[in-house]
Amino acid sequence: NAGVTQTPKFRVLKTGQSMTLLCAQDMNHEYMYWYRQDPGMGLRLIHYSVGEGTTAKGEVPDGYNVSRLKKQNFLLGLESAAPSQTSVYFCATFTGSSYEQYFGPGTRLTVT
Amino acid sequence: GQQLNQSPQSMFIQEGEDVSMNCTSSSIFNTWLWYKQDPGEGPVLLIALYKAGELTSNGRLTAQFGITRKDSFLNISASIPSDVGIYFCAGPTGNQFYFGTGTSLTVIP
Repeated sequence: NAGVTQTPKFRVLKTGQSMTLLCAQDMNHEYMYWYRQDPGMGLRLIHYSVGEGTTAKGEVPDGYNVSRLKKQNFLLGLESAAPSQTSVYFCATFTGSSYEQYFGPGTRLTVT
Repeated sequence: GQQLNQSPQSMFIQEGEDVSMNCTSSSIFNTWLWYKQDPGEGPVLLIALYKAGELTSNGRLTAQFGITRKDSFLNISASIPSDVGIYFCAGPTGNQFYFGTGTSLTVIP
């Protein structure tokens, strides 16, 4: 039972490059979230999904796209990376009943 | 979006000391959550509070839901080295969760 996993763990991109971050969960949770964490700013919600085939914008969605084609996977895409997207990205899942979110280990992204 | 401010931003304490931190919001929340993030890992839920005035404990941790519903407090008693990490408050609104800016705790043995 792996819980929430994120791929890759680290990545360095050049400005303008694209990439996709993968979040996978084996807990059968309906809700999935992508956050970014920057020093002194806590976690900020980028996009989230309330079920397979659905996505919604969070607090800081610009420059990111997401897809939830399968219930267990939530993909975060950067079409044209910018240095301002240098951050640690966390995926989380949520059952929808109790308020406990389960977080993945994070992906550290550097854009040069 | 919602703004949750935590204080202090960082704390350096001796092992065995008690710790207090708080979280204030510009908006009312009906639920308050406290998370801990160990270095290099994702946050883990410590305590959930569901009612104004509620006081809830989890081992050496005690959290309170403020009466105004705009603040919450977390206390850690008799700190130990494994308490090191960043503590976040969070409040859910609908399907979204808003996180505080975090309090970084360092425990000196």
